Amino acid sequence: KAGVTQTPRYLIKTRGQQVTLSCSPISGHRSVSWYQQTPGQGLQFLFEYFSETQRNKGNFPGRFSGRQFSNSRSEMNVSTLELGDSALYLCASSQDSFSGNTIYFGEGSWLTVV
Amino acid sequence: AQSVTQLGSHVSVSEGALVLLRCNYSSSVPPYLFWYVQYPNQGLQLLLKYTSAATLVKGINGFEAEFKKSETSFHLTKPSAHMSDAAEYFCALRVEAAGNKLTFGGGTRVLVKP
Repeated sequence: KAGVTQTPRYLIKTRGQQVTLSCSPISGHRSVSWYQQTPGQGLQFLFEYFSETQRNKGNFPGRFSGRQFSNSRSEMNVSTLELGDSALYLCASSQDSFSGNTIYFGEGSWLTVV
Repeated sequence: AQSVTQLGSHVSVSEGALVLLRCNYSSSVPPYLFWYVQYPNQGLQLLLKYTSAATLVKGINGFEAEFKKSETSFHLTKPSAHMSDAAEYFCALRVEAAGNKLTFGGGTRVLVKP
Protein backbone atom coordinates (compact mmCIF):
# COMPACT_ATOMS: atom_id res chain seq x y z
CA LYS A 1 0.00 0.00 0.00
CA ALA A 2 1.44 3.35 -1.04
CA GLY A 3 2.46 5.77 1.71
CA VAL A 4 1.86 9.48 2.01
CA THR A 5 3.08 11.18 -1.16
CA GLN A 6 4.17 14.79 -1.28
CA THR A 7 5.04 16.84 -4.32
CA PRO A 8 7.22 18.56 -5.20
CA ARG A 9 10.09 17.29 -3.06
CA TYR A 10 12.28 20.34 -3.56
CA LEU A 11 11.57 23.83 -4.76
CA ILE A 12 13.09 27.29 -4.73
CA LYS A 13 10.96 30.41 -4.75
CA THR A 14 11.60 34.12 -4.61
CA ARG A 15 10.39 36.41 -1.85
CA GLY A 16 6.89 37.68 -2.59
CA GLN A 17 5.91 34.72 -4.72
CA GLN A 18 3.40 32.11 -3.73
CA VAL A 19 3.74 28.33 -3.57
CA THR A 20 1.38 25.37 -3.60
CA LEU A 21 2.36 22.02 -2.10
CA SER A 22 0.46 18.82 -2.67
CA CYS A 23 -0.19 15.78 -0.52
CA SER A 24 -1.82 12.46 -1.38
CA PRO A 25 -2.73 10.53 1.79
CA ILE A 26 -2.69 6.79 2.23
CA SER A 27 -5.68 5.22 0.52
CA GLY A 28 -8.68 5.23 2.84
CA HIS A 29 -7.34 7.97 5.11
CA ARG A 30 -9.64 10.93 5.55
CA SER A 31 -7.51 13.15 7.76
CA VAL A 32 -4.59 15.17 6.42
CA SER A 33 -2.42 17.43 8.56
CA TRP A 34 0.43 19.77 7.65
CA TYR A 35 3.51 20.66 9.67
CA GLN A 36 6.37 23.08 9.21
CA GLN A 37 9.83 21.99 10.33
CA THR A 38 12.66 24.49 10.79
CA PRO A 39 15.92 24.30 12.75
CA GLY A 40 14.87 27.16 14.99
CA GLN A 41 11.21 26.39 15.67
CA GLY A 42 11.17 22.62 15.28
CA LEU A 43 7.99 20.88 14.18
CA GLN A 44 4.94 23.11 14.24
CA PHE A 45 1.38 22.20 13.39
CA LEU A 46 -0.17 24.20 10.56
CA PHE A 47 -3.65 22.73 10.09
CA GLU A 48 -5.70 19.55 9.80
CA TYR A 49 -8.37 18.72 7.27
CA PHE A 50 -10.92 15.97 7.70
CA SER A 51 -13.49 15.14 5.04
CA GLU A 52 -12.79 18.44 3.25
CA THR A 53 -13.27 20.57 6.40
CA GLN A 54 -10.56 22.32 8.34
CA ARG A 55 -10.79 20.80 11.78
CA ASN A 56 -7.87 22.44 13.53
CA LYS A 57 -5.47 25.29 12.88
CA GLY A 58 -2.10 26.25 14.31
CA ASN A 59 -0.70 29.69 15.03
CA PHE A 60 0.38 30.75 11.58
CA PRO A 61 -0.51 33.92 9.67
CA GLY A 62 -3.27 33.94 7.11
CA ARG A 63 -0.70 33.67 4.31
CA PHE A 64 -0.75 29.96 5.06
CA SER A 65 -3.86 28.22 3.79
CA GLY A 66 -4.95 24.78 2.76
CA ARG A 67 -7.74 22.73 1.37
CA GLN A 68 -8.79 19.14 0.97
CA PHE A 69 -10.53 17.60 -1.99
CA SER A 70 -13.24 14.96 -2.08
CA ASN A 71 -10.63 12.26 -2.75
CA SER A 72 -8.83 13.35 0.46
CA ARG A 73 -5.87 14.81 -1.40
CA SER A 74 -4.76 18.07 0.12
CA GLU A 75 -2.91 21.19 -0.91
CA MET A 76 -1.37 23.92 1.13
CA ASN A 77 -0.60 27.37 -0.17
CA VAL A 78 1.74 30.04 1.10
CA SER A 79 1.30 33.49 -0.38
CA THR A 80 3.69 36.43 -0.32
CA LEU A 81 6.63 34.25 0.62
CA GLU A 82 9.13 35.48 3.18
CA LEU A 83 12.68 34.25 3.79
CA GLY A 84 11.51 32.75 7.08
CA ASP A 85 9.12 30.44 5.25
CA SER A 86 12.09 28.35 4.14
CA ALA A 87 11.43 25.00 5.75
CA LEU A 88 10.56 21.36 5.34
CA TYR A 89 6.79 21.02 5.02
CA LEU A 90 5.48 17.66 6.14
CA CYS A 91 2.11 16.15 5.41
CA ALA A 92 0.60 13.47 7.63
CA SER A 93 -2.43 11.27 7.12
CA SER A 94 -4.60 9.07 9.30
CA GLN A 95 -7.87 7.22 9.05
CA ASP A 96 -9.74 9.08 11.73
CA SER A 97 -9.14 10.58 15.15
CA PHE A 98 -9.96 7.71 17.49
CA SER A 99 -7.49 6.84 20.21
CA GLY A 100 -5.75 3.97 18.46
CA ASN A 101 -5.10 6.02 15.38
CA THR A 102 -1.68 5.92 13.73
CA ILE A 103 -0.49 9.07 12.01
CA TYR A 104 1.79 8.55 9.01
CA PHE A 105 4.10 11.15 7.52
CA GLY A 106 5.30 11.79 4.01
CA GLU A 107 8.88 12.55 2.97
CA GLY A 108 8.20 16.28 2.94
CA SER A 109 8.61 19.18 0.57
CA TRP A 110 11.74 21.26 0.98
CA LEU A 111 11.00 24.92 0.31
CA THR A 112 13.79 27.45 -0.05
CA VAL A 113 12.85 31.12 -0.34
CA VAL A 114 15.54 33.40 -1.77
CA ALA B 1 -2.49 23.55 26.57
CA GLN B 2 -0.22 20.60 26.02
CA SER B 3 3.56 20.56 25.78
CA VAL B 4 6.39 18.08 25.29
CA THR B 5 9.93 18.46 26.52
CA GLN B 6 12.83 16.34 25.38
CA LEU B 7 15.84 16.53 27.62
CA GLY B 8 19.05 16.75 25.64
CA SER B 9 19.13 17.97 22.06
CA HIS B 10 22.11 15.72 21.33
CA VAL B 11 23.01 12.30 22.71
CA SER B 12 26.15 10.33 21.92
CA VAL B 13 26.27 6.60 22.56
CA SER B 14 28.73 3.84 21.75
CA GLU B 15 27.67 1.00 19.50
CA GLY B 16 26.23 -1.75 21.68
CA ALA B 17 25.46 0.59 24.58
CA LEU B 18 22.04 1.47 25.99
CA VAL B 19 20.12 4.22 24.25
CA LEU B 20 17.96 6.35 26.56
CA LEU B 21 16.04 9.34 25.24
CA ARG B 22 13.99 11.34 27.70
CA CYS B 23 10.55 12.79 27.10
CA ASN B 24 8.32 14.59 29.60
CA TYR B 25 4.89 15.91 28.81
CA SER B 26 2.32 18.27 30.20
CA SER B 27 -1.37 17.68 29.57
CA SER B 28 -4.55 18.39 31.50
CA VAL B 29 -6.28 15.41 29.87
CA PRO B 30 -5.06 11.87 29.21
CA PRO B 31 -2.59 11.99 26.34
CA TYR B 32 -1.66 9.65 23.55
CA LEU B 33 2.10 9.61 23.11
CA PHE B 34 4.31 8.79 20.17
CA TRP B 35 7.96 8.46 19.26
CA TYR B 36 9.02 9.20 15.71
CA VAL B 37 12.44 8.90 14.08
CA GLN B 38 13.73 11.08 11.26
CA TYR B 39 16.69 10.08 9.12
CA PRO B 40 18.53 12.76 7.12
CA ASN B 41 16.45 14.26 4.33
CA GLN B 42 13.47 12.07 5.13
CA GLY B 43 10.08 12.35 6.75
CA LEU B 44 9.03 10.99 10.13
CA GLN B 45 8.70 7.28 10.78
CA LEU B 46 6.64 6.02 13.69
CA LEU B 47 8.63 3.98 16.20
CA LEU B 48 5.88 3.32 18.72
CA LYS B 49 2.75 4.76 20.29
CA TYR B 50 1.03 4.73 23.68
CA THR B 51 -2.76 4.63 23.58
CA SER B 52 -3.53 3.60 27.19
CA ALA B 53 -3.70 -0.15 26.47
CA ALA B 54 -0.35 -0.94 28.14
CA THR B 55 2.19 1.25 29.87
CA LEU B 56 5.19 -0.56 28.36
CA VAL B 57 5.11 -0.19 24.62
CA LYS B 58 7.31 -2.08 22.21
CA GLY B 59 8.09 -0.62 18.84
CA ILE B 60 10.11 -1.29 15.74
CA ASN B 61 13.89 -1.76 15.56
CA GLY B 62 14.14 -2.95 19.17
CA PHE B 63 12.90 0.27 20.76
CA GLU B 64 10.48 0.43 23.66
CA ALA B 65 9.03 3.14 25.88
CA GLU B 66 7.31 3.21 29.23
CA PHE B 67 4.47 5.54 30.11
CA LYS B 68 4.73 6.78 33.69
CA LYS B 69 1.80 8.95 34.62
CA SER B 70 3.19 9.88 38.05
CA GLU B 71 6.34 11.22 36.42
CA THR B 72 4.59 12.53 33.27
CA SER B 73 7.27 10.76 31.28
CA PHE B 74 7.53 8.57 28.19
CA HIS B 75 11.22 7.75 27.85
CA LEU B 76 12.49 5.76 24.87
CA THR B 77 15.07 3.01 25.29
CA LYS B 78 16.96 0.46 23.25
CA PRO B 79 19.24 -2.03 24.99
CA SER B 80 21.98 -2.06 22.37
CA ALA B 81 22.67 0.79 19.93
CA HIS B 82 23.42 0.09 16.31
CA MET B 83 25.09 2.42 13.83
CA SER B 84 21.81 2.59 11.92
CA ASP B 85 20.14 4.20 14.96
CA ALA B 86 21.91 7.48 14.23
CA ALA B 87 19.02 9.86 13.51
CA GLU B 88 16.84 12.48 15.15
CA TYR B 89 14.08 11.31 17.47
CA PHE B 90 10.90 13.18 18.29
CA CYS B 91 8.44 12.62 21.10
CA ALA B 92 4.90 13.79 20.36
CA LEU B 93 1.59 14.09 22.15
CA ARG B 94 -1.99 14.06 20.99
CA VAL B 95 -5.25 14.60 22.87
CA GLU B 96 -8.75 13.59 21.77
CA ALA B 97 -10.13 17.11 21.67
CA ALA B 98 -7.48 18.26 19.19
CA GLY B 99 -8.20 15.74 16.45
CA ASN B 100 -5.00 14.54 14.87
CA LYS B 101 -2.89 17.51 15.90
CA LEU B 102 0.48 16.39 17.25
CA THR B 103 2.49 18.52 19.64
CA PHE B 104 6.18 17.72 19.27
CA GLY B 105 9.18 18.00 21.51
CA GLY B 106 12.30 19.71 20.24
CA GLY B 107 13.94 16.49 19.12
CA THR B 108 17.07 14.60 20.18
CA ARG B 109 19.81 13.88 17.70
CA VAL B 110 21.55 10.58 18.36
CA LEU B 111 25.14 9.97 17.36
CA VAL B 112 26.42 6.40 17.51
CA LYS B 113 30.16 5.93 17.94
CA PRO B 114 31.82 2.75 16.70
